[in-house]
Amino acid sequence: SQQGEEDPQALSIQEGENATMNCSYKTSINNLQWYRQNSGRGLVHLILIRSNEREKHSGRLRVTLDTSKKSSSLLITASRAADTASYFCATDATDDKIIFGKGTRLHILP
Amino acid sequence: DGGITQSPKYLFRKEGQNVTLSCEQNLNHDAMYWYRQDPGQGLRLIYYSQIVNDFQKGDIAEGYSVSREKKESFPLTVTSAQKNPTAFYLCASSMEGKGGIDTEAFFGQGTRLTVV
Repeated sequence: SQQGEEDPQALSIQEGENATMNCSYKTSINNLQWYRQNSGRGLVHLILIRSNEREKHSGRLRVTLDTSKKSSSLLITASRAADTASYFCATDATDDKIIFGKGTRLHILP
Repeated sequence: DGGITQSPKYLFRKEGQNVTLSCEQNLNHDAMYWYRQDPGQGLRLIYYSQIVNDFQKGDIAEGYSVSREKKESFPLTVTSAQKNPTAFYLCASSMEGKGGIDTEAFFGQGTRLTVV
């Protein structure tokens, strides 16, 4: 069963614009993580936010977490062509499994 | 360089054959994971292991088997019982073991398995 569900499934924006992706999950978590995957490659960790944190920043990335709504968002500011990839949220629940959502495919238009 | 290595990158299997995918890490991580990814889809957990000589089934374990005899290695066998094995397989490791602190997962570059 998928724990996280990203929204939207696909997103196309102009270079320089901001991209926002959302993730909803079902059960209590220890932390929530965002990953990036370029086509046909492994996943690369972007940022981890713990269940007692509400917002976290890393460079052009901003992640928020609302445990009452069981949701998170990833904001990429000033998007670049190199940001084109699939983005996944993953939850680390109390049973120590890391469960991924289906991902958002982000395409940055020149 | 520390990292996690999957081999081979591409693998072809005839129907009815078992095949083993390799995953090795030199990060001294306790936890290791196997995921399956189908085209345009997310990752589904097959098996995971928190410590040596211990592993648990994920959401889609049927038709797969694993072993964790060494901390560094977590091979995945795709058996003939797996009805639709063609997919992209990803191995990951994390420092977190049972009762450990939460840390991110590091991924290998994947093995693309095709049944011919």
